[in-house]
Amino acid sequence: SQKIEQNSEALNIQEGKTATLTCNYTNYSPAYLQWYRQDPGRGPVFLLLIRENEKEKRKERLKVTFDTTLKQSLFHITASQPADSATYLCALHRTGANNLFFGTGTRLTVIP
Amino acid sequence: NAGVTQTPKFRILKIGQSMTLQCTQDMNHNYMYWYRQDPGMGLKLIYYSVGAGITDKGEVPNGYNVSRSTTEDFPLRLELAAPSQTSVYFCASSYGTGGRNEQFFGPGTRLTVL
Repeated sequence: SQKIEQNSEALNIQEGKTATLTCNYTNYSPAYLQWYRQDPGRGPVFLLLIRENEKEKRKERLKVTFDTTLKQSLFHITASQPADSATYLCALHRTGANNLFFGTGTRLTVIP
Repeated sequence: NAGVTQTPKFRILKIGQSMTLQCTQDMNHNYMYWYRQDPGMGLKLIYYSVGAGITDKGEVPNGYNVSRSTTEDFPLRLELAAPSQTSVYFCASSYGTGGRNEQFFGPGTRLTVL
């Protein structure tokens, strides 16, 4: 069956370091992959989208990579700040589908 | 520009009661979605719509119904509430198909069924 795994439920890092979150998938051939941020008690907010033929995408301090051979996406936050503390969700889109399939999320805490 | 709005924010239902969760978007998006999110779990798609008058089932549609009579509104109906429907419900919309376009989410409705 299809599966999306975000490799850790929680990740704690020191302020100023780079946070790296992992999204692995099996039995998918996603055409697009998206990352969202979710704060407690709120709806997810879109961060980045990367296509299957793109290796890397950047936006300010955020970077996403997409390796279709490894079936993995990495999400990096450089120079992390306490305000980056949130849950980060990856979501995949299959060709022909009208919707996204979400992972369970990784809760990031940036310690001052 | 309010984006996606949902009402109510919180609701407690008794088993067997029914209710409608309201969702409205003001971005003129064709695509709208209903998700549920249980603690420690990802978002699961309940129903979606690709335009007024067109709806389709997602991963977990049992116990729910939807309608889409206008572009703006996409209500979710629970007919016979069960404890398994205790969850946080999110409505979302997107300009085009939800995989290739970012989805805009509402603030959520926290539902408890006792």
